[in-house]
Amino acid sequence: QKEVEQNSGPLSVPEGAIASLNCTYSDRGSQSFFWYRQYSGKSPELIMFIYSNGDKEDGRFTAQLNKASQYVSLLIRDSQPSDSATYLCAVKGGFKTIFGAGTRLFVKA
Amino acid sequence: DAGVTQSPTHLIKTRGQQVTLRCSPKSGHDTVSWYQQALGQGPQFIFQYYEEEERQRGNFPDRFSGHQFPNYSSELNVNALLLGDSALYLCASSLVGVVTEAFFGQGTRLTVV
Repeated sequence: QKEVEQNSGPLSVPEGAIASLNCTYSDRGSQSFFWYRQYSGKSPELIMFIYSNGDKEDGRFTAQLNKASQYVSLLIRDSQPSDSATYLCAVKGGFKTIFGAGTRLFVKA
Repeated sequence: DAGVTQSPTHLIKTRGQQVTLRCSPKSGHDTVSWYQQALGQGPQFIFQYYEEEERQRGNFPDRFSGHQFPNYSSELNVNALLLGDSALYLCASSLVGVVTEAFFGQGTRLTVV
C-alpha cells in the first residue's frame, strides 16, 4: 500500500464547476496535510495546509480533513482554465513529508 | 527577497559520474529538504538538513549524500550515477518549528545518459 494515494486522473471539469480532489494516507501518526499545485515543468507551489479535522477555506479553495478515515480532500470552486495543473497531496509526520503521485486536473473553457 | 534558488537548472551527466546540486534557501529559513521527482510521479523525500546535520532520510541509497553550510545553503551529491537517477531534483526550505515547507526552488533537471 502506498503511503499517500491519489487518483492519477485526468479529472476533467467544465469552467465554473467544482473540482473535487481526494487523497488517502496510511500513517495514522501524520500531523500535517498539504495540497500543492504543479504546472508542467515547474516546481510545486503550496495552495493550502490543514492539520485539524474539518474544513479550511481560502478563497476558491476548501481543504477537508478526516483523520479517522485518513482522508484529505481539496475542493476548487468556480474552476478556471488556469487551474489546469497536477495537484499533489502531501502528508507530514515528524520531519518527513510524503507526496502522492498527483491528480491531473483539466478545466475546459 | 530572493526565494529558494537552485543551480544548475539543467544538467546532463554520463552513467557512473558524480554530480553536485546546490540550493540556497529563502532568506530567514534554516532548514533544507531535498526531493527527487521522476516524470509522472510526486516528489520523493531524500533527506532534510538542519544545523548542518542530516535530520531525517528517505529511502535512498548511500550514493545520495548531502551537506549544509553555516549560511544554511545546501548541496546534494550523487555518486555513481545510474540512468534511473534522471529526474527533477527539488529543494525546499523552511524555518524550524514552522509546519510547512512552503517554498520550493525551481528545481534541477538531471539527465543521465
